[in-house]
Amino acid sequence: DIQMTQSPSSLSASLGDRVTITCRASQGINTYLNWYQQRPGKAPQLLIYAASSLQSGVPSRFSGSGSGTQFTLTINSLQPEDFVTYFCQQSYSTPYTFGQGTKLEIK
Amino acid sequence: QVQLQESGPGLVKPSQTLSLTCTVSGVSMSSGGDYWTWIRQHPGKGLEWIGSSYYTGSTFYSPSLKSRVSISVDTSQNQFSLKLSSVIAADTAVYYCARGRAAAGNFDYWGQGTLVTVSS
Repeated sequence: DIQMTQSPSSLSASLGDRVTITCRASQGINTYLNWYQQRPGKAPQLLIYAASSLQSGVPSRFSGSGSGTQFTLTINSLQPEDFVTYFCQQSYSTPYTFGQGTKLEIK
Repeated sequence: QVQLQESGPGLVKPSQTLSLTCTVSGVSMSSGGDYWTWIRQHPGKGLEWIGSSYYTGSTFYSPSLKSRVSISVDTSQNQFSLKLSSVIAADTAVYYCARGRAAAGNFDYWGQGTLVTVSS
């Protein structure tokens, strides 16, 4: 199985800040990397697919980059609704695997 | 608008079979290009892919659950189902159904999730 490691596990930031979350794959996955946002008690929502493509309807302050084993999710100008949990997921090979999540907290 | 909705018992006894159904609306499951997926999330934990099925019935499962899991598709009802046999307490989780896109392998539409508790 491909292991996905996210860092940090939690992150404190202020409104208007720019933050970066990192996801590392245990082996190369090209750009088969997706990012999700999950609000408490809700299903995950797709933000970014194929490492850097913005899902329809997702605000442009979200962006993704990377290839191979190292990926980043960047959120510019944090809004109140952004302080939730984020997961990465590899779709290079089955079993599809997720990172353990990054909880973004307001400072 | 694509929508998915899980249904099934919220309580299952140990050693029994967990059975859930996902009803899909807004898209025909047999239109192709998608795979119909079950994912679970243990309380307060991360996400675990259980398995997926194409509308043709071709399936692929997580190796850790493969011996106990079955996913089937009913295109006439636009539904797909999950069966997980011989459940134990560790199978207690929120179960999500989702649409997977074959090209990028992402999950773009999800059900709201249903909590299944394994307890006697």
